[in-house]
Amino acid sequence: AQSVTQLDSQVPVFEEAPVELRCNYSSSVSVYLFWYVQYPNQGLQLLLKYLSGSTLVESINGFEAEFNKSQTSFHLRKPSVHISDTAEYFCAVSVVGSGNTGKLIFGQGTTLQVKP
Amino acid sequence: KAGVTQTPRYLIKTRGQQVTLSCSPISGHRSVSWYQQTPGQGLQFLFEYFSETQRNKGNFPGRFSGRQFSNSRSEMNVSTLELGDSALYLCASSAGQGWEQYFGPGTRLTVT
Repeated sequence: AQSVTQLDSQVPVFEEAPVELRCNYSSSVSVYLFWYVQYPNQGLQLLLKYLSGSTLVESINGFEAEFNKSQTSFHLRKPSVHISDTAEYFCAVSVVGSGNTGKLIFGQGTTLQVKP
Repeated sequence: KAGVTQTPRYLIKTRGQQVTLSCSPISGHRSVSWYQQTPGQGLQFLFEYFSETQRNKGNFPGRFSGRQFSNSRSEMNVSTLELGDSALYLCASSAGQGWEQYFGPGTRLTVT
C-alpha cells in the first residue's frame, strides 16, 4: 500500500531564513506528487505539483520541490521565508492507474511557524 | 473561473441525525473527490465521482454516501451521525486523473 511520511510535524524558523519540509513516499508504481498549504479555517491550496518532466518544480511564491525517484522523496524548500508563510503544509501522492482515480494520499502535515 | 464552493460552511448536528453537504466544482471539472480531515486521522479520502458515477471509494462505513448530478455538482450524506464524525469535510474537483485537485473551503461539521 502507498503511504506518505512527512518527517517533521513542526518546523519553527526565523523570518528570512531558509526552510526545508521533508516528504517521503512509499509506492511500487508511478505517482504524481503535490504540496498543498492550509491556512487556519480554510481549505487546501495547491502549492506545486510534479506530474512528469523536470524533477525540479517551482511555485509562484518562491517555493520549490525536487522529485527524487531513487530516494522516493519530494522535499519542499524556500530560500527565505516570510511571516505570511506560517501555515500547515501537506505532501500528497496520487497513484497512477485506473483503480486509483480521484484519490490523494496525504502525509500528516507539517506546521511551519515563522518567527519575527 | 470561480473556485470550488461548499455549502454550508458550518453545521451543528445531534447524534443519530443525518446531514447532507454540497459541493460545486470548478466549471468544466467532471471529477469530484471528498475528504474528511480530523486532528487524529488527518486527511482521509472518502470517495470520488466522475460523470455521475462513483469510481473510487475509501475505507469508510456505509453511513457515508454521495452522489453527483449531471452538472457535476456533488452531495455527500452521512446518516446516523456519531460523535466521531465531527470533522472538516473537504471536496475537491479536477479535470481528471493526471490533473491536480482544487479544494473548496470545507464544511465544518460538529456532532453533539
